[in-house]
Order: sequence, then structure tokens, then C-alpha cells
Amino acid sequence: GAGVSQSPSNKVTEKGKDVELRCDPISGHTALYWYRQRLGQGLEFLIYFQGNSAPDKSGLPSDRFSAERTGESVSTLTIQRTQQEDSAVYLCASSRLTGSYEQYFGPGTRLTVT
Amino acid sequence: AQSVTQLDSQVPVFEEAPVELRCNYSSSVSVYLFWYVQYPNQGLQLLLKYLSGSTLVKGINGFEAEFNKSQTSFHLRKPSVHISDTAEYFCAVSDRSNTGKLIFGQGTTLQVKP
Repeated sequence: GAGVSQSPSNKVTEKGKDVELRCDPISGHTALYWYRQRLGQGLEFLIYFQGNSAPDKSGLPSDRFSAERTGESVSTLTIQRTQQEDSAVYLCASSRLTGSYEQYFGPGTRLTVT
Repeated sequence: AQSVTQLDSQVPVFEEAPVELRCNYSSSVSVYLFWYVQYPNQGLQLLLKYLSGSTLVKGINGFEAEFNKSQTSFHLRKPSVHISDTAEYFCAVSDRSNTGKLIFGQGTTLQVKP
């Protein structure tokens, strides 16, 4: 079946603007994760959704970052008042059940803040 | 909290030579361990994982890794590399809670030369 999809693939925005990134998980996957990959660095965990449970937001770097997920479907990551340090690749992953621990990653959205 | 250290940022190797990519982790609790690979212009893909049982785990494309609890290491090995193995390799850990969120190392670039 289809994998995790993300849109847009690339986004260039001016400093101070808001951006919204979208993730479509694999159908039937209850868990969804957002990560950030800055140039030359590893991935940083941002936020985790599991079903109807309260999300784990412990990785969000500031209150400019927020994310939503409706049920077990699409998720959006919103960055308000973007800063240059927000430039990165934002990756989404989904997992069938948390116990399986295998996460399937999307291709990412490359965000450039000018 | 967990942390992961990948000891080499770049590993150049000739085709058909053996390779070892090193990974050490720190955690106050038991963890699950993973290696992911990111081929150029592609998303992350799971290579192998250690959840329990045998400390030597085999993954795709001829890779294997050994979990060493006393040394808190999970080094990745391949006895003979191919040009197509050129990629970024990430070691990651997850605590044994139900979230499954991953903590990644900084990544190691494997450059296979002809």
C-alpha cells in the first residue's frame, strides 16, 4: 500500500510568516510522530500522537510550534512566526501499534526560512 | 532520558571491504535499539532492530549489529560493502514505554569508493 506522504516537499518562506506542514500516515497506523532534521545533524523528536490519547509534546522547541491530528488520520505541524533557525527537514513517521516499534518515515518537507 | 553517540561522522571505505559503524547509547532504563538508513534523496528506512533475545541481529542488505549491554553499544557491521551502500546511517534508541519515540544519533555518512 501507499507509504507515509508529506506535503509540500519544499517550502520557502520569509521570516515571520506562518507555515503549515501536512502528513498523511499509512492507513491503519495508530501512532504518528514528527521529527526535525537540521543540516548535518540527527533527527530530533518533536511530538507524538497515539489514537485519542493526549499527545506527547515534550520535543516541541517553543510555543511557536504546534501540531494537530484528527483521529488516526492526517496531521498538520504549524510553525508560527518562523525564524531562520527553523530551517530544516521536517519528517513524519507512523507506526501500526506502539509495540511494533517500527516507524515508517515519509520523504520529509524541506523548510527554508529566508 | 536517553542519548545516542555515533562516534564517526564519516566513514570512507573501498568497495568489498568490511565496515563497522559505531554507536553508543546512554540510558537509565532498558532500551530498544535501531539502525536506520537514508539513501540519497530518499526517506529513512529501517535496517534492523534489537528488542530482546539474541544480541546479534541481522537486517536487510547484509547488515548486522550486536547489542552489548555492558558497553552500552550497538555497532553496525557489514563484511563486504557495495557502492550502493553509500548513505547516511542513523542509530536510534527508544525506551520501553508505550510511546515508541526515537532518540537519534547524529548520523554517520558511509562513503563507499570503487
